[in-house]
Amino acid sequence: LAKTTQPISMDSYEGQEVNITCSHNNIATNDYITWYQQFPSQGPRFIIQGYKTKVTNEVASLFIPADRKSSTLSLPRVSLSDTAVYYCLVGDPSMYSGGGADGLTFGKGTHLIIQP
Amino acid sequence: ETGVTQSPTHLIKTRGQQVTLRCSSQSGHNTVSWYQQALGQGPQFIFQYYREEENGRGNFPPRFSGLQFPNYSSELNVNALELDDSALYLCASSLAGVTEAFFGQGTRLTVV
Repeated sequence: LAKTTQPISMDSYEGQEVNITCSHNNIATNDYITWYQQFPSQGPRFIIQGYKTKVTNEVASLFIPADRKSSTLSLPRVSLSDTAVYYCLVGDPSMYSGGGADGLTFGKGTHLIIQP
Repeated sequence: ETGVTQSPTHLIKTRGQQVTLRCSSQSGHNTVSWYQQALGQGPQFIFQYYREEENGRGNFPPRFSGLQFPNYSSELNVNALELDDSALYLCASSLAGVTEAFFGQGTRLTVV
């Protein structure tokens, strides 16, 4: 599984756009990039997944350059409730369950703190 | 709410004892995975069950075992508890081949 590197912590303020970058230099052809969010004493929650270019949903956007060696999670107009740990995961979805089962590989994540 | 429920929410056990944690998967999901999350760390993959068979395991010893039932609910059993087993244990359900996993709120296990 491709190893990921992301900042340990970030600070921002309410109403700002926050961008969290993840490096994954040895990403494989079949790998997708997935982001999870985790609040204290809760399980992680899926935010967004992408393979290339840009993906947007109601919560966030994910930007992936052509070489796919990095990706950026963008959170628009953050609020205090966005304070959480954000994990970047890289892997082949077909290996996560069913025929192959590598499990999801979480690093230490990025602690995002939003201030008033 | 993800539809994945775990019980109990908190548990205190003595070193050397055995513990069973339970998980009800989200309706329709045929895959359940278990993760261990130590304080300040990301979740670590323990193992996964698909159609009642273990089909993947992380770097955990055999004293960590599990079951998946026909209704896709699951149990995690840990024998001969050690102090380092103190952690948040997370259950996640999903569909085969899909990255989006739905996690429960976890069971906080404390071994004293």
